[in-house]
Amino acid sequence: AQTVTQSQPEMSVQEAETVTLSCTYDTSENNYYLFWYKQPPSRQMILVIRQEAYKQQNATENRFSVNFQKAAKSFSLKISDSQLGDTAMYFCAFIGAGSYQLTFGKGTKLSVIP
Amino acid sequence: DTEVTQTPKHLVMGMTNKKSLKCEQHMGHRAMYWYKQKAKKPPELMFVYSYEKLSINESVPSRFSPECPNSSLLNLHLHALQPEDSALYLCASSQEEGFAAHLDEQFFGPGTRLTVL
Repeated sequence: AQTVTQSQPEMSVQEAETVTLSCTYDTSENNYYLFWYKQPPSRQMILVIRQEAYKQQNATENRFSVNFQKAAKSFSLKISDSQLGDTAMYFCAFIGAGSYQLTFGKGTKLSVIP
Repeated sequence: DTEVTQTPKHLVMGMTNKKSLKCEQHMGHRAMYWYKQKAKKPPELMFVYSYEKLSINESVPSRFSPECPNSSLLNLHLHALQPEDSALYLCASSQEEGFAAHLDEQFFGPGTRLTVL
């Protein structure tokens, strides 16, 4: 069974600063995908960024980037130039090859302070 | 259209009521999901439909009854619920064509906030 651990229940960051959210996971699989989902107070869960395990290059999406360390089973999210709209719950998630089961971490509540 | 819609947004029901939640997507996705999310917790998978057939039932009590009338529509029928079933119910969909397609992004709806009195 897979597990996903987010060790930071809450974080805050000043507007325009950079923040890093941590995530570790445990799996015996070799083929899998990792995701960061964002859930603002309005509830809609949206995908922020995805990483394929077979790709060594870290994924980036505008101000969002990941540091994927496969051997360490670590998948952190860096948010640059934080904006007030980044205030949300952030969930790290894992899915194994051939599976429908998206395993979520417990989430990190990020607050961006003006 | 890259949207998953859910109705109603809010639902309050008594323990003896029968109600239904509705989810719709027009992205051609063939996998659809129901999740339950309690406050400040991650979503928990309840059911997965693949090509309109139930693929996964995560040991959900029978008072929750899913239905997939067609590839675009997913319902969750509720009957004799308990107050502890109060939660946000999220629907999601993803592609289901090709070997790795279902590993693609799951698109989530905005959810139905259910309160059981």
